[in-house]
Amino acid sequence: EVRLVESGGGLVQPGGSLRLSCAASGFTFSTYPMNWVRQPPGKGLEWVSYISTSGNTIYYADSVKGRFTISRDNARNSLYLQMHSLRAEDTAVYYCASIETTLPWGQGTLVTVSS
Amino acid sequence: DIQMTQSPSSLSGSVGDRVTITCRASQTISSFLNWYQQKPGKAPNLLIYAASSLQSGVPSRFSGSESGTDFTLTISSLQPEDSATYYCQQSFSTPYTFGQGTKLEIK
Repeated sequence: EVRLVESGGGLVQPGGSLRLSCAASGFTFSTYPMNWVRQPPGKGLEWVSYISTSGNTIYYADSVKGRFTISRDNARNSLYLQMHSLRAEDTAVYYCASIETTLPWGQGTLVTVSS
Repeated sequence: DIQMTQSPSSLSGSVGDRVTITCRASQTISSFLNWYQQKPGKAPNLLIYAASSLQSGVPSRFSGSESGTDFTLTISSLQPEDSATYYCQQSFSTPYTFGQGTKLEIK
């Protein structure tokens, strides 16, 4: 069964850091480009970041550029999002997804930035 | 950045009705257009990819079409389980962008 399982969310103070993980199983992870997409409570979907299969090509949304870092470990079938200098507006459910393909999305992990 | 303008923002229909949701891209995106269904508390579920290809396991009452930069999601015969929010999304170029969403209510 194809699965993407996010973890690492939680409550963090403004200015803090958090690292999200996405564990992949049931498919050849190294052959799929990956993304992070987020959804603030009660709002729409926002693309956050993209990483190519090898990790050599990376893109970010302007809203997170310079604060977030996407990476992947193909040997561990895992995707990561390191988040620094977190703001209240980063509060959202974060999904990992291979938007360019038909893989199902993960169930998401909630990040809450609040004092 | 490519803007995706989705309409309407909400609509309602009765079981058996035919409904249409549209999405207009601000520039050409070829056929790099996906449609998702999202129910409360759940991740988005892919319905249509490449503008008109039905994702495996999705009922055939869902269909997608394109005309230039205009894209349409059609549900041919509404069912109670179709109550959800629907999003379009372009994967032609980053930043990938989503429509604002359409909340569909079943009367």
